[in-house]
Amino acid sequence: AQSVAQPEDQVNVAEGNPLTVKCTYSVSGNPYLFWYVQYPNRGLQFLLKYITGDNLVKGSYGFEAEFNKSQTSFHLKKPSALVSDSALYFCAVRAPPNDYKLSFGAGTTVTVRA
Amino acid sequence: GAGVSQSPSNKVTEKGKDVELRCDPISGHTALYWYRQSLGQGLEFLIYFQGNSAPDKSGLPSDRFSAERTGGSVSTLTIQRTQQEDSAVYLCASSFSGIPEEQYFGPGTRLTVT
Repeated sequence: AQSVAQPEDQVNVAEGNPLTVKCTYSVSGNPYLFWYVQYPNRGLQFLLKYITGDNLVKGSYGFEAEFNKSQTSFHLKKPSALVSDSALYFCAVRAPPNDYKLSFGAGTTVTVRA
Repeated sequence: GAGVSQSPSNKVTEKGKDVELRCDPISGHTALYWYRQSLGQGLEFLIYFQGNSAPDKSGLPSDRFSAERTGGSVSTLTIQRTQQEDSAVYLCASSFSGIPEEQYFGPGTRLTVT
């Protein structure tokens, strides 16, 4: 079975500081990894994905994530956080045999203070 | 272009009543998914439709839940004899066919069972 863990319920950072949201996964095959963001009263928005290739993936709004196979991690990063980045972030994984199912982490609430 | 739309945005119903939730996927997307987002439960997969193939209903929590997808486009999720534990946000997503493709989510329907 596939699963995702987001060890931090909340992350608080000051605007302009680096932001990291942690994610680790467990799958039996090669994972496809995704990050989504959910703003208040909005649906989930796709940020970025890792399928294969370069371990560093760049996505929307200046976010990037690094796939680390040995540590089974896919941490989301942004070099300089904005107040508008405050939202709920979800890491998700798809893997064989049910490749189409997204398994989500519990989510991490990010608060960026001015 | 238009994204995934869902209706109603909010639904309040009495325990024991049936409800229907609707999803209009992005035009051209052959895959459609339903998820449920509950407080303290995160996001859970409910059902998956791909083209004309038989849907994967393995995530449906009970036989009170059913879903249809007519003409390969619009989908309806029906919950019969609603219970208070059915209260949640029901999210629909769609994607192009192909396993690595990211899913695009609608804004969700917030269901409250009183």
